[in-house]
Amino acid sequence: QKEVEQDPGPLSVPEGAIVSLNCTYSNSAFQYFMWYRQYSRKGPELLMYTYSSGNKEDGRFTAQVDKSSKYISLFIRDSQPSDSATYLCAMSAGGYQKVTFGTGTKLQVIP
Amino acid sequence: DAGVTQSPTHLIKTRGQQVTLRCSPKSGHDTVSWYQQALGQGPQFIFQYYEEEERQRGNFPDRFSGHQFPNYSSELNVNALLLGDSALYLCASIKTGGESLSGELFFGEGSRLTVL
Repeated sequence: QKEVEQDPGPLSVPEGAIVSLNCTYSNSAFQYFMWYRQYSRKGPELLMYTYSSGNKEDGRFTAQVDKSSKYISLFIRDSQPSDSATYLCAMSAGGYQKVTFGTGTKLQVIP
Repeated sequence: DAGVTQSPTHLIKTRGQQVTLRCSPKSGHDTVSWYQQALGQGPQFIFQYYEEEERQRGNFPDRFSGHQFPNYSSELNVNALLLGDSALYLCASIKTGGESLSGELFFGEGSRLTVL
């Protein structure tokens, strides 16, 4: 069983839709939860990070963490064609521990 | 402010050859991690270097080795290349202390290795 599970998609939505991306994990030591965005042929860039459980909002993006269920989500409101990319969830136990990534979900927002 | 830079961007090797990839971390960062990203997969942790020492290592064979220089730049070496080593190799840097504890990595564009 992988430490982090993520549906690879692809996910195709119309412009303006609300997008929900999810990951589950098995390692209880994970304390930091991140979402990275990766455009084609580029390196990942950090989109959001959350410590422990709870919600965090940044513009059109909301990250949620439910440690009791070992489940994290990223919501994108009013999706734009420029949001088309692969979204990677990532987790760490902190303290310079390695960051473990999900497979990534490929998102396409259709104008 | 220069971000993480990697070289070369693309390279083609044949089985059995050796390859060296290079990385310069973001200005002010002192810790470098290397990741392997196969097509359609998420990045897999190879190892992390801090103060010129390997601090952590993922589940990769000894064919994968690295080095960090006094200016914090780093190299990844892969010996006896296999077809399965074909991937995007990503370098990520952080600054020890502060936000680095959360795992916020700053990535380069990667080096795309094709092994024939």
